[in-house]
Amino acid sequence: GQQLNQSPQSMFIQEGEDVSMNCTSSSIFNTWLWYKQDPGEGPVLLIALYKAGELTSNGRLTAQFGITRKDSFLNISASIPSDVGIYFCAGQPGHGNQFYFGTGTSLTVIP
Amino acid sequence: ETGVTQTPRHLVMGMTNKKSLKCEQHLGHNAMYWYKQSAKKPLELMFVYNFKEQTENNSVPSRFSPECPNSSHLFLHLHTLQPEDSALYLCASSPAGGLKDGELFFGEGSRLTVL
Repeated sequence: GQQLNQSPQSMFIQEGEDVSMNCTSSSIFNTWLWYKQDPGEGPVLLIALYKAGELTSNGRLTAQFGITRKDSFLNISASIPSDVGIYFCAGQPGHGNQFYFGTGTSLTVIP
Repeated sequence: ETGVTQTPRHLVMGMTNKKSLKCEQHLGHNAMYWYKQSAKKPLELMFVYNFKEQTENNSVPSRFSPECPNSSHLFLHLHTLQPEDSALYLCASSPAGGLKDGELFFGEGSRLTVL
């Protein structure tokens, strides 16, 4: 199936720093989703985006639906230790219920 | 609490055992999914059910058998699995067909180990 390219694969940052990660696709998506997954748990939906150019915030998290509809970005401002985890992007082309997932960005926050 | 509950959370089984994973969603959604998550790989879609009808079978081996008796419940029956089937199995649900069609909610997963 289709795969999303997510980068970076891992990040090690100091507490208080801002974080940016992105996802790109070779085809157009109508929906972009961003998830966080803690070890041994299921992914938790952070932000859902439905329109090209849309910018949506959830606390310190901000995500954008790229204008080309082939990419999306997630920013975390002023990181804290509980931000540690794996962040996944997911996209839906719009036909049926097929969702495609990125390979994840592992975030480590150093206190 | 995402509204999607999976049991058991952990399961260890031998290759000749028969076991089942259960998923229940309390969100009023119409679509339910099984995903497989292995280390260092993207989530792999296994099955999709829309309004209790299977609409996607992603070339999954027959040793995995899904069952969807109603829109709120989904099972994954396991039989004669292989050690490489060890993984985290995630159930998810989405509204399907509505304005928020693209919101996919996951359960906490069932960690399966095949010996």
